[in-house]
Amino acid sequence: NAGVTQTPKFQVLKTGQSMTLQCAQDMNHEYMSWYRQDPGMGLRLIHYSVGAGITDQGEVPNGYNVSRSTTEDFPLRLLSAAPSQTSVYFCASSYLRTGNYEQYFGPGTRLTVT
Amino acid sequence: KNEVEQSPQNLTAQEGEFITINCSYSVGISALHWLQQHPGGGIVSLFMLSSGKKKHGRLIATINIQEKHSSLHITASHPRDSAVYICAVRETSGSRLTFGEGTQLTVNP
Repeated sequence: NAGVTQTPKFQVLKTGQSMTLQCAQDMNHEYMSWYRQDPGMGLRLIHYSVGAGITDQGEVPNGYNVSRSTTEDFPLRLLSAAPSQTSVYFCASSYLRTGNYEQYFGPGTRLTVT
Repeated sequence: KNEVEQSPQNLTAQEGEFITINCSYSVGISALHWLQQHPGGGIVSLFMLSSGKKKHGRLIATINIQEKHSSLHITASHPRDSAVYICAVRETSGSRLTFGEGTQLTVNP
């Protein structure tokens, strides 16, 4: 299994540009989520999904969109990048229904918005 | 007040010392996670607990559901244990994880 994969690893955007951060898992996990990590703030939940076709907002959803058309993929879209979105982004996944909630994290995407 | 609080925020130890990191939470939970983030940025799940105690090698995690408290212990600490240790809880009311701010551990040789 590849586990949780994220692309790209690094990205630099100009203010106003759009982009999609990709996340995929091959473990048939129902639950997938996106977090951002900023110095002194810990991991904060952006959006999450409990299954294909179901998404919900986390703590800091503004400026981000998600979709979950398949179990495997959970892309995060920045529609109009802002400097406040400079951060490290992590995707994670886990089972839900089996009661095994062990979290698997992707390697992260370091995004800089200038 | 954060729903998940960790202490200490920073911890420096000498190689071989016994280390304890604490996590307190204020909500009802179905599970508590301990995660490790290395200087390179990758995050690894160490433990998931819903009761009692678990042990992996030199790492021990305990949880007291009544007191809403968990501890992560590292015995015979080593410089390679230097990392950020993060506590996270899955609330009984939903599927989301809520994270503590992390504890930066540095183990000196």
